[in-house]
Amino acid sequence: DTGVSQDPRHKITKRGQNVTFRCDPISEHNRLYWYRQTLGQGPEFLTYFQNEAQLEKSRLLSDRFSAERPKGSFSTLEIQRTEQGDSAMYLCASSFPRTEPDTEAFFGQGTRLTVV
Amino acid sequence: AQSVTQLGSHVSVSEGALVLLRCNYSSSVPPYLFWYVQYPNQGLQLLLKYTSAATLVKGINGFEAEFKKSETSFHLTKPSAHMSDAAEYFCAVSYNQGGKLIFGQGTELSVKP
Repeated sequence: DTGVSQDPRHKITKRGQNVTFRCDPISEHNRLYWYRQTLGQGPEFLTYFQNEAQLEKSRLLSDRFSAERPKGSFSTLEIQRTEQGDSAMYLCASSFPRTEPDTEAFFGQGTRLTVV
Repeated sequence: AQSVTQLGSHVSVSEGALVLLRCNYSSSVPPYLFWYVQYPNQGLQLLLKYTSAATLVKGINGFEAEFKKSETSFHLTKPSAHMSDAAEYFCAVSYNQGGKLIFGQGTELSVKP
């Protein structure tokens, strides 16, 4: 197992375009999280899934953002009509909580989005 | 609102010197506490975590942190800095909300030879 994998690692897009990122969690991890990290800041929670169910969405996740995890394995995060303020590192993490609370999330290397 | 404050966005130490990175949380309910390290253009790696067991927690790479409820603090220390410790460090809390983490703004550690 190579850990949490994110694709692409870097994405440059023009303002107004749609972009989609993919996250492959560690095998058998049933929880998957998306975070956004802007320059000089800590990551901010966006949303999380347990299996295929999206259980929580942050108010940061505007209507232009949508996340899916159709079969409870990989996840996609789509941003429609990108804006310059969307430029950030998008981090994915996964976990398989053996106990509650869940305290063992593993992070991917992130997708860096630049909107020009 | 639940929050995490890291005092000092930049900390610089000499190689071999003590490393002290400060973290305070705001909550009346003791959270679960974490320290993560991030190298340039990389994801986050867990250094250590506090989950209501021993208040002094030992992590990887010689780091440790002490949970002090009376001070609502979880400062990260390492007795002797190494050049390879230069990175961004994030303190985070979780309040049993599905594992969602709330991060501080980060502290960049520089190590001078």
